[in-house]
Amino acid sequence: SQQGEEDPQALSIQEGENATMNCSYKTSINNLQWYRQNSGRGLVHLILIRSNEREKHSGRLRVTLDTSKKSSSLLITASRAADTASYFCATVNYLADRGSTLGRLYFGRGTQLTVWP
Amino acid sequence: GAVVSQHPSWVICKSGTSVKIECRSLDFQATTMFWYRQFPKQSLMLMATSNEGSKATYEQGVEKDKFLINHASLTLSTLTVTSAHPEDSSFYICSARLAGEVDTQYFGPGTRLTVL
Repeated sequence: SQQGEEDPQALSIQEGENATMNCSYKTSINNLQWYRQNSGRGLVHLILIRSNEREKHSGRLRVTLDTSKKSSSLLITASRAADTASYFCATVNYLADRGSTLGRLYFGRGTQLTVWP
Repeated sequence: GAVVSQHPSWVICKSGTSVKIECRSLDFQATTMFWYRQFPKQSLMLMATSNEGSKATYEQGVEKDKFLINHASLTLSTLTVTSAHPEDSSFYICSARLAGEVDTQYFGPGTRLTVL
Protein backbone atom coordinates (compact mmCIF):
# COMPACT_ATOMS: atom_id res chain seq x y z
CA SER A 1 0.00 0.00 0.00
CA GLN A 2 1.21 3.50 -0.78
CA GLN A 3 -0.83 5.06 1.96
CA GLY A 4 0.67 6.76 4.96
CA GLU A 5 -0.61 5.99 8.41
CA GLU A 6 -0.95 8.70 11.02
CA ASP A 7 -0.52 8.24 14.70
CA PRO A 8 -2.29 8.94 16.98
CA GLN A 9 -5.76 8.75 15.49
CA ALA A 10 -6.95 11.40 17.92
CA LEU A 11 -5.14 13.95 20.04
CA SER A 12 -6.65 16.28 22.61
CA ILE A 13 -4.59 19.07 24.18
CA GLN A 14 -4.89 22.45 25.87
CA GLU A 15 -4.16 25.74 24.15
CA GLY A 16 -0.51 26.63 24.38
CA GLU A 17 0.68 23.03 24.39
CA ASN A 18 2.57 21.47 21.51
CA ALA A 19 0.93 18.86 19.30
CA THR A 20 2.94 16.13 17.62
CA MET A 21 1.53 13.85 14.95
CA ASN A 22 3.38 11.03 13.25
CA CYS A 23 3.10 9.48 9.84
CA SER A 24 4.57 6.18 8.74
CA TYR A 25 4.67 4.82 5.21
CA LYS A 26 5.83 1.64 3.55
CA THR A 27 7.39 2.48 0.20
CA SER A 28 10.05 4.85 -1.05
CA ILE A 29 8.88 8.39 -1.60
CA ASN A 30 9.83 11.48 -3.55
CA ASN A 31 8.14 13.80 -1.12
CA LEU A 32 5.68 13.83 1.75
CA GLN A 33 3.05 16.47 2.34
CA TRP A 34 0.94 17.47 5.30
CA TYR A 35 -2.59 18.81 4.95
CA ARG A 36 -5.20 20.18 7.33
CA GLN A 37 -8.93 19.61 6.96
CA ASN A 38 -11.51 21.44 9.01
CA SER A 39 -14.70 19.49 9.60
CA GLY A 40 -16.67 19.05 6.39
CA ARG A 41 -14.30 21.18 4.36
CA GLY A 42 -11.60 20.73 1.76
CA LEU A 43 -7.91 20.29 2.36
CA VAL A 44 -5.40 23.02 3.02
CA HIS A 45 -1.80 22.33 2.09
CA LEU A 46 0.54 22.94 5.02
CA ILE A 47 4.01 21.86 4.03
CA LEU A 48 5.94 19.67 1.60
CA ILE A 49 9.19 17.95 2.50
CA ARG A 50 11.31 16.23 -0.12
CA SER A 51 13.02 12.90 0.35
CA ASN A 52 16.45 14.55 0.58
CA GLU A 53 15.32 16.94 3.31
CA ARG A 54 15.26 16.14 7.01
CA GLU A 55 13.44 19.09 8.52
CA LYS A 56 11.32 22.03 7.43
CA HIS A 57 9.71 24.89 9.26
CA SER A 58 6.76 27.09 8.46
CA GLY A 59 5.59 29.45 11.17
CA ARG A 60 4.50 27.30 14.12
CA LEU A 61 4.85 24.12 12.09
CA ARG A 62 7.87 21.89 12.10
CA VAL A 63 8.06 18.79 9.93
CA THR A 64 10.73 16.12 10.11
CA LEU A 65 11.37 13.25 7.74
CA ASP A 66 13.34 10.09 8.44
CA THR A 67 13.50 8.06 5.25
CA SER A 68 15.43 5.25 6.96
CA LYS A 69 12.50 4.73 9.31
CA LYS A 70 9.95 5.70 6.67
CA SER A 71 8.35 8.16 9.02
CA SER A 72 7.55 11.83 9.34
CA SER A 73 6.31 14.00 12.16
CA LEU A 74 4.36 17.24 12.27
CA LEU A 75 4.83 19.44 15.30
CA ILE A 76 2.52 22.36 15.97
CA THR A 77 3.94 24.61 18.64
CA ALA A 78 1.91 26.81 20.99
CA SER A 79 -1.35 25.37 19.71
CA ARG A 80 -4.54 27.42 19.46
CA ALA A 81 -8.18 26.46 19.46
CA ALA A 82 -8.22 27.38 15.75
CA ASP A 83 -5.77 24.55 15.09
CA THR A 84 -8.56 22.07 15.82
CA ALA A 85 -8.86 20.00 12.63
CA SER A 86 -7.88 16.71 11.04
CA TYR A 87 -4.31 16.48 9.83
CA PHE A 88 -3.30 14.18 6.99
CA CYS A 89 0.00 13.13 5.57
CA ALA A 90 0.23 12.21 1.90
CA THR A 91 3.09 10.58 0.07
CA VAL A 92 4.23 10.98 -3.51
CA ASN A 93 6.10 8.17 -5.22
CA TYR A 94 6.97 8.74 -8.86
CA LEU A 95 8.02 5.12 -9.30
CA ALA A 96 4.56 3.91 -8.31
CA ASP A 97 3.07 6.37 -10.79
CA ARG A 98 4.80 4.81 -13.78
CA GLY A 99 2.28 4.38 -16.59
CA SER A 100 -0.08 6.70 -14.79
CA THR A 101 -0.34 10.32 -13.73
CA LEU A 102 2.79 11.56 -12.01
CA GLY A 103 2.50 13.03 -8.55
CA ARG A 104 -0.52 11.18 -7.24
CA LEU A 105 -1.14 11.66 -3.53
CA TYR A 106 -1.65 8.73 -1.19
CA PHE A 107 -3.32 9.85 2.02
CA GLY A 108 -3.30 8.36 5.49
CA ARG A 109 -6.38 8.23 7.69
CA GLY A 110 -5.47 11.37 9.55
CA THR A 111 -5.13 12.56 13.12
CA GLN A 112 -8.04 14.41 14.66
CA LEU A 113 -6.57 17.21 16.75
CA THR A 114 -8.72 18.98 19.33
CA VAL A 115 -7.29 22.02 21.08
CA TRP A 116 -9.26 23.16 24.12
CA PRO A 117 -9.27 26.84 25.03
CA GLY B 1 -4.39 32.63 -6.13
CA ALA B 2 -4.94 28.95 -7.00
CA VAL B 3 -8.54 28.75 -5.88
CA VAL B 4 -10.66 25.73 -6.66
CA SER B 5 -14.42 25.74 -6.24
CA GLN B 6 -16.95 22.94 -6.19
CA HIS B 7 -20.64 23.09 -6.84
CA PRO B 8 -22.88 22.17 -5.22
CA SER B 9 -21.45 22.14 -1.70
CA TRP B 10 -24.07 19.63 -0.68
CA VAL B 11 -26.80 17.67 -2.44
CA ILE B 12 -29.54 15.30 -1.35
CA CYS B 13 -31.09 13.07 -3.96
CA LYS B 14 -33.33 10.06 -4.29
CA SER B 15 -31.96 6.64 -5.03
CA GLY B 16 -31.73 6.01 -8.76
CA THR B 17 -31.15 9.59 -9.81
CA SER B 18 -27.95 11.02 -11.24
CA VAL B 19 -26.00 13.83 -9.66
CA LYS B 20 -23.43 16.09 -11.30
CA ILE B 21 -20.67 17.77 -9.31
CA GLU B 22 -18.59 20.55 -10.82
CA CYS B 23 -15.00 21.39 -10.04
CA ARG B 24 -13.61 24.68 -11.29
CA SER B 25 -10.20 26.28 -11.10
CA LEU B 26 -11.04 29.96 -10.70
CA ASP B 27 -7.80 31.73 -11.40
CA PHE B 28 -5.60 29.25 -13.19
CA GLN B 29 -5.70 26.66 -15.92
CA ALA B 30 -5.66 23.10 -14.66
CA THR B 31 -4.35 20.51 -17.06
CA THR B 32 -5.01 17.80 -14.51
CA MET B 33 -7.80 17.41 -11.99
CA PHE B 34 -8.27 14.68 -9.43
CA TRP B 35 -11.42 13.34 -7.82
CA TYR B 36 -11.35 11.89 -4.32
CA ARG B 37 -13.92 10.26 -2.10
CA GLN B 38 -13.90 10.46 1.66
CA PHE B 39 -16.02 8.51 4.13
CA PRO B 40 -16.54 9.90 7.64
CA LYS B 41 -13.32 9.98 9.63
CA GLN B 42 -11.52 8.17 6.86
CA SER B 43 -8.77 8.91 4.40
CA LEU B 44 -9.20 10.50 1.00
CA MET B 45 -9.27 7.81 -1.65
CA LEU B 46 -8.33 8.79 -5.19
CA MET B 47 -11.10 7.82 -7.58
CA ALA B 48 -9.81 9.09 -10.89
CA THR B 49 -7.53 11.51 -12.64
CA SER B 50 -8.80 13.63 -15.47
CA ASN B 51 -6.71 15.41 -18.05
CA GLU B 52 -8.21 18.11 -20.21
CA GLY B 53 -9.39 16.79 -23.53
CA SER B 54 -8.77 13.13 -22.81
CA LYS B 55 -10.44 10.24 -21.04
CA ALA B 56 -10.19 9.99 -17.29
CA THR B 57 -7.96 7.39 -15.68
CA TYR B 58 -9.79 5.47 -13.00
CA GLU B 59 -8.28 3.81 -9.97
CA GLN B 60 -8.70 0.12 -9.46
CA GLY B 61 -12.14 -0.75 -8.14
CA VAL B 62 -13.83 2.47 -9.29
CA GLU B 63 -16.64 1.86 -11.77
CA LYS B 64 -16.20 3.98 -14.87
CA ASP B 65 -19.85 3.73 -15.83
CA LYS B 66 -20.94 4.68 -12.36
CA PHE B 67 -18.74 7.71 -11.93
CA LEU B 68 -18.56 9.62 -15.19
CA ILE B 69 -15.83 12.22 -15.40
CA ASN B 70 -15.57 14.91 -18.02
CA HIS B 71 -12.76 17.45 -18.28
CA ALA B 72 -13.96 19.54 -21.16
CA SER B 73 -11.92 22.67 -20.50
CA LEU B 74 -8.83 23.76 -18.63
CA THR B 75 -10.95 25.16 -15.82
CA LEU B 76 -13.78 22.69 -15.44
CA SER B 77 -14.12 19.02 -14.60
CA THR B 78 -17.37 17.31 -13.74
CA LEU B 79 -18.14 14.12 -11.86
CA THR B 80 -21.53 12.54 -12.48
CA VAL B 81 -22.69 9.86 -10.11
CA THR B 82 -25.12 7.84 -12.17
CA SER B 83 -28.05 5.96 -10.69
CA ALA B 84 -26.97 6.92 -7.21
CA HIS B 85 -27.60 4.56 -4.30
CA PRO B 86 -27.31 5.14 -0.54
CA GLU B 87 -23.86 3.54 -0.52
CA ASP B 88 -22.67 6.34 -2.82
CA SER B 89 -23.32 8.83 -0.03
CA SER B 90 -19.98 10.37 0.74
CA PHE B 91 -17.87 13.51 0.65
CA TYR B 92 -16.42 14.11 -2.82
CA ILE B 93 -13.40 16.38 -3.14
CA CYS B 94 -11.65 17.53 -6.28
CA SER B 95 -8.23 19.00 -6.71
CA ALA B 96 -6.54 20.76 -9.59
CA ARG B 97 -2.97 21.01 -10.72
CA LEU B 98 -1.09 23.49 -12.85
CA ALA B 99 0.93 22.27 -15.80
CA GLY B 100 4.49 21.73 -14.69
CA GLU B 101 3.68 21.64 -10.96
CA VAL B 102 3.72 17.91 -10.43
CA ASP B 103 3.74 17.94 -6.65
CA THR B 104 1.15 20.62 -5.88
CA GLN B 105 -2.59 20.04 -5.85
CA TYR B 106 -5.11 22.72 -4.96
CA PHE B 107 -8.20 21.30 -3.31
CA GLY B 108 -11.81 22.31 -3.60
CA PRO B 109 -14.06 22.62 -0.54
CA GLY B 110 -15.82 19.33 -1.21
CA THR B 111 -19.38 18.22 -1.97
CA ARG B 112 -21.46 16.28 0.51
CA LEU B 113 -23.69 13.80 -1.33
CA THR B 114 -26.55 12.12 0.52
CA VAL B 115 -28.60 9.56 -1.34
CA LEU B 116 -31.92 8.67 0.27
